[in-house]
Amino acid sequence: EPEVTQTPSHQVTQMGQEVILRCVPISNHLYFYWYRQILGQKVEFLVSFYNNEISEKSEIFDDQFSVERPDGSNFTLKIRSTKLEDSAMYFCASSETLGYGYTFGSGTRLTVV
Amino acid sequence: KQEVTQIPAALSVPEGENLVLNCSFTDSAIYNLQWFRQDPGKGLTSLLLIQSSQREQTSGRLNASLDKSSGRSTLYIAASQPGDSATYLCAVPPYSGGYQKVTFGIGTKLQVIP
Repeated sequence: EPEVTQTPSHQVTQMGQEVILRCVPISNHLYFYWYRQILGQKVEFLVSFYNNEISEKSEIFDDQFSVERPDGSNFTLKIRSTKLEDSAMYFCASSETLGYGYTFGSGTRLTVV
Repeated sequence: KQEVTQIPAALSVPEGENLVLNCSFTDSAIYNLQWFRQDPGKGLTSLLLIQSSQREQTSGRLNASLDKSSGRSTLYIAASQPGDSATYLCAVPPYSGGYQKVTFGIGTKLQVIP
């Protein structure tokens, strides 16, 4: 069964450093998403991406965050200057059509120290 | 703004018992509803997706129902096994309008005791 692949599975970074989280969505999917889950809290929407541009973003997704699809397969989330409160599990997801049948990756646990 | 609530927050049952997890949502204008399983520190595994036009969806020992008008969905697990121990999340995409944000419940943490 097709999978969404995320790397790395765990990343530790110092406060103020830039991090890039990587994702390979399912190949025939057109919509890509990033969600995050702070420990003990709900999974929260960050951003959706379609046709090489952001289609929707939440209030969490401020200027410190950016997304990119640098080639035909990868989808990345960059946090420019990490803060302690950015520590969370970050999930990439993709879907073939809008709002239908999301497939999530196994997540990247980001720890900011 | 869509709000998704899951009850109970945690549930502990003996192996073999049938159980029901509940999900409620405030805006009934939904496209579909998806149930996920999350193991500790792991990703989200899709279990069942119910379209807004459907009332039920089954996969093995799992049965999910949807009552859109009352804003409720249930996940029924038959003959529970220790391997079913996980957190179960309910997720609701918006109906349309170009909005793509999926709203999740906080989940029900299930423990099945051997």
